[in-house]
Amino acid sequence: KQEVTQIPAALSVPEGENLVLNCSFTDSAIYNLQWFRQDPGKGLTSLLLIQSSQREQTSGRLNASLDKSSGRSTLYIAASQPGDSATYLCAVFNAGNMLTFGGGTRLMVKP
Amino acid sequence: ETGVTQTPRHLVMGMTNKKSLKCEQHLGHNAMYWYKQSAKKPLELMFVYNFKEQTENNSVPSRFSPECPNSSHLFLHLHTLQPEDSALYLCASSQASTWETYNEQFFGPGTRLTVL
Repeated sequence: KQEVTQIPAALSVPEGENLVLNCSFTDSAIYNLQWFRQDPGKGLTSLLLIQSSQREQTSGRLNASLDKSSGRSTLYIAASQPGDSATYLCAVFNAGNMLTFGGGTRLMVKP
Repeated sequence: ETGVTQTPRHLVMGMTNKKSLKCEQHLGHNAMYWYKQSAKKPLELMFVYNFKEQTENNSVPSRFSPECPNSSHLFLHLHTLQPEDSALYLCASSQASTWETYNEQFFGPGTRLTVL
């Protein structure tokens, strides 16, 4: 059974810092990996989707990398802003429509 | 706005009540999903419907009963719930995925359910 772990569970940084969120998964036979953002009490917003054949994806200040063989992904946020404060979720897709989520990293960016 | 709406946004119910959660998608998708998000636990997949057929029931207790009358609407009927069922219930939709193809899921804002 696929298990997804995100470290750290919570992170507080001053505005302007570059930061890295980590995601690891136990079954490397994934088809893709997706990073989401969730604001308090809200649904999920997709940030980046990496196919299993890709190594990274970039969108603005966000860069996500995937090392499928080692079961790891990182989300890099450059020049963090208070508006980046949210919970970031990593999810992997295995065969059969199963999207398995990690527990999330709760990020607080202080002005 | 993701094109997926959920009602109600908040619901408080007693253990003997019967209520229903509603999800509607305006994206032309043909697969819909229910997820449960409890405090301090990862998001859990509950049910999957592809082309109105239930293709996944992730060992969910029978007090949760899904219904998908058409590809745009999804319901979750609730009866005799327990306090531990209190959670955020999220609906998502996508184009139907095959065994090896993932189509991006779009999530609604969720229904915050409290069971007293």
